[in-house]
Amino acid sequence: AQTVTQSQPEMSVQEAETVTLSCTYDTSESNYYLFWYKQPPSRQMILVIRQEAYKQQNATENRFSVNFQKAAKSFSLKISDSQLGDTAMYFCALFWQGGSEKLVFGKGTKLTVNP
Amino acid sequence: DVKVTQSSRYLVKRTGEKVFLECVQDMDHENMFWYRQDPGLGLRLIYFSYDVKMKEKGDIPEGYSVSREKKERFSLILESASTNQTSMYLCASLIRSSPSDTQYFGPGTRLTVL
Repeated sequence: AQTVTQSQPEMSVQEAETVTLSCTYDTSESNYYLFWYKQPPSRQMILVIRQEAYKQQNATENRFSVNFQKAAKSFSLKISDSQLGDTAMYFCALFWQGGSEKLVFGKGTKLTVNP
Repeated sequence: DVKVTQSSRYLVKRTGEKVFLECVQDMDHENMFWYRQDPGLGLRLIYFSYDVKMKEKGDIPEGYSVSREKKERFSLILESASTNQTSMYLCASLIRSSPSDTQYFGPGTRLTVL
């Protein structure tokens, strides 16, 4: 079975600082993808960043980057220069080919950016 | 831009009522999904559909059914709503793209069953 674990239910960071959200996963599949989604309070879930497991290079999207450690099955999200608008629930998710295109989600990390 | 819409943002129903939650996507996607989101539990898959009239159970299908009569519309049905179905319901649609297929979400429907 595929599982995703986010061990930090809540985190906080000061504006302009850097924060790292943790995610570990377990899968026996070789062809899989990892995602971070962001859900601001009372707003829509949006895709932040994605990583293909076959790629060694870590994905980056502006202030968001990942640290993908395949052997350790770890996929952390780093947010640089945190902004108030980054306050949200963050979900790590796993997708694999041949899995009926289902996503398996972690339980989420609630991030609060303080002014 | 991908557009996934849900019929209501907030809904209040009474126990025993039949409830319909609708999801519409405008991009001709084949795969659509219904999730339930609860604090501390993350998102759990209720049902998904990979084509018109095709459906598969997810992880928590009990108490729910779905309908996909047209490609763009995927409905979640609570045959007889119960208080433990009070939750946020999220619909998603799958985009087949390179390098990876990606799910995009609707705004969610917060359902309260009294």
